[in-house]
Amino acid sequence: GAVVSQHPSWVICKSGTSVKIECRSLDFQATTMFWYRQFPKQSLMLMATSNEGSKATYEQGVEKDKFLINHASLTLSTLTVTSAHPEDSSFYICSARTAPGQKGSGQETQYFGPGTRLLVL
Amino acid sequence: GENVEQHPSTLSVQEGDSAVIKCTYSDSASNYFPWYKQELGKRPQLIIDIRSNVGEKKDQRIAVTLNKTAKHFSLHITETQPEDSAVYFCAALSAANAGGTSYGKLTFGQGTILTVHP
Repeated sequence: GAVVSQHPSWVICKSGTSVKIECRSLDFQATTMFWYRQFPKQSLMLMATSNEGSKATYEQGVEKDKFLINHASLTLSTLTVTSAHPEDSSFYICSARTAPGQKGSGQETQYFGPGTRLLVL
Repeated sequence: GENVEQHPSTLSVQEGDSAVIKCTYSDSASNYFPWYKQELGKRPQLIIDIRSNVGEKKDQRIAVTLNKTAKHFSLHITETQPEDSAVYFCAALSAANAGGTSYGKLTFGQGTILTVHP
């Protein structure tokens, strides 16, 4: 159990275009989803936290108008990189977890998606 | 906010030796400490975790210890194998919100590149 999928796994786009990445929890209800960005040889940097049905909370320095997050259901969250530029090229990873009191082992455990590698030319 | 420091940044051992990675955290209210293994280009995989009410946890060749007073926790891998080679991240979960309706967020350490030589 506790499987998180992410699509697409990689994408190459031209500068100025928008890219949408989907994150799905396949066998549990993800009350909260997280979006991370990871540059080569670096740690995971949290971009934003999204709770189902409410606006995402962005970390300091992350532009909310550039990185649009939607968490419309308990199993799906999307990240849209708008007007992507080469400096946005990175490995984007989502993770999901349940809320306190929900069924599931290690309720506070985060399960990660496989990541999306974005290359903006 | 929470700050997690991880050491060493790289660790090279011979197959069969033990490997130890250490992390410190700053927020005394943090109460959950997972360790993730990440292979190149892949997702972080949870390998072991420990909660603040426990001092040590073991799962086969992997163990984690937690010292709440000193605010540090460590990952111990015994009898290392080449397939243990990867990047390892520690993390600390900050306190939940006051209403208890959501857990806090994970703060990750900088990562340790572990290389196990055959």
